Amino acid sequence: QLQLQESGPGLVKPSETLSLTCTVSGGSISSSSYYWGWIRQPPGKGLEWIGSIYYSGSTYYNPSLKSRVTISVDTSKNQFSLKLSSVTAADTALYYCARVASHYSGNYHWGQGTLVTVSS
Amino acid sequence: DVVMTQSPLSLPVTLGQPASISCRSSQSLVYSDGNTYLNWFQQRPGQSPRRLIYKVSDRDSGVPDRFSGSGSGTDFTLKISRVEAEDVGVYYCMQGTHWPPITFGQGTRLEIK
Repeated sequence: QLQLQESGPGLVKPSETLSLTCTVSGGSISSSSYYWGWIRQPPGKGLEWIGSIYYSGSTYYNPSLKSRVTISVDTSKNQFSLKLSSVTAADTALYYCARVASHYSGNYHWGQGTLVTVSS
Repeated sequence: DVVMTQSPLSLPVTLGQPASISCRSSQSLVYSDGNTYLNWFQQRPGQSPRRLIYKVSDRDSGVPDRFSGSGSGTDFTLKISRVEAEDVGVYYCMQGTHWPPITFGQGTRLEIK
């Protein structure tokens, strides 16, 4: 059974880089035809798509975050990662990783989410 | 980016009564393949979102048939025929037609009156 688990620091200082890892179990991150993505949700607010990486390595980012975001894959560890630079309090959110079968139809297999707070 | 606007943002409903959520997009969601990629998600308290409906009206496996989706172009609706206690949560519409980026509505919080 596919499972995704986010991990990383729960507290990041302003202006620093947020780094999260998503560990995939029950399936291979090298599987063809899947994207691996990140979505976030500020406390009490709605969902914001951050970006995705295709199994081939192509990346797709939300234009609103593109200058600060990097998503990468480590096939040897069956993990993919998110880096968000120059964070501010506005980046405080619950960060979800997901396997994406289709962005068009919203076919997402979600992780449980991890809360990241940006504060000094 | 396509802006998704939901209404109402808060929806108090009596158990057993129907509920309806509207979602409007800033541009048509009809894709070049003829499909309309408007999807609905449910997020129960403390849980990750779960897709209920895809391509306007196709229900996901395991989703009760009291949930239905309809609409076309830029105007869409999620209906619950008879609200049950387990339906409490936040509902989001999401468009995939014009990704990237995919965009979500603000969410509609359904509560029991």
